[in-house]
Amino acid sequence: AQKVTQAQTEISVVEKEDVTLDCVYETRDTTYYLFWYKQPPSGELVFLIRRNSFDEQNEISGRYSWNFQKSTSSFNFTITASQVVDSAVYFCALSELSTDKLIFGTGTRLQVFP
Amino acid sequence: GAGVSQSPSNKVTEKGKDVELRCDPISGHTALYWYRQSLGQGLEFLIYFQGNSAPDKSGLPSDRFSAERTGGSVSTLTIQRTQQEDSAVYLCASSLAYLNSPLHFGNGTRLTVT
Repeated sequence: AQKVTQAQTEISVVEKEDVTLDCVYETRDTTYYLFWYKQPPSGELVFLIRRNSFDEQNEISGRYSWNFQKSTSSFNFTITASQVVDSAVYFCALSELSTDKLIFGTGTRLQVFP
Repeated sequence: GAGVSQSPSNKVTEKGKDVELRCDPISGHTALYWYRQSLGQGLEFLIYFQGNSAPDKSGLPSDRFSAERTGGSVSTLTIQRTQQEDSAVYLCASSLAYLNSPLHFGNGTRLTVT
């Protein structure tokens, strides 16, 4: 069955701290795609990154980095030197080739305090 | 450029009434998704369209919910005989193709059933 688990409901950090958001997924497919989306207080979901199941290379984009490990079915997201503007709910999502739908985790609310 | 547009942005209705929620996807986007987000919750998949057809309706909570898409563009989500538990933010998203293309989300329709 297709499932995404974000065990961290809420995380609070102080500015400039590094923070990692965990994502664990379940799928029977060999071809699948993983995503991270950000939902700031304004409410509109914003796409951050997409990975396919055949590409385990870690990715870095500015202060953001993603660690994809098929051995542990995880796709974790790290924010380095966090800023107040990073405060949002972050969602991990999974789509399978066989089911044609994008399933989201329950999200992690990140609060960055000055 | 124009993003995904949803209307109305807010809807308050009495229990038992029918409501229609509209989504205008980004021009040229063939895939269209509907999700529901209850207060403080994750995104619950409802239905998705590829063109005008809906291969997967399994997420619709009950037979009071229906959706259609015409001309490969505008989609309408209809909730009949609304109940208080239908209160949520209904999000629409579109993409160029399903699965591996990032979704572009609208701002959602906040539905309140009194």
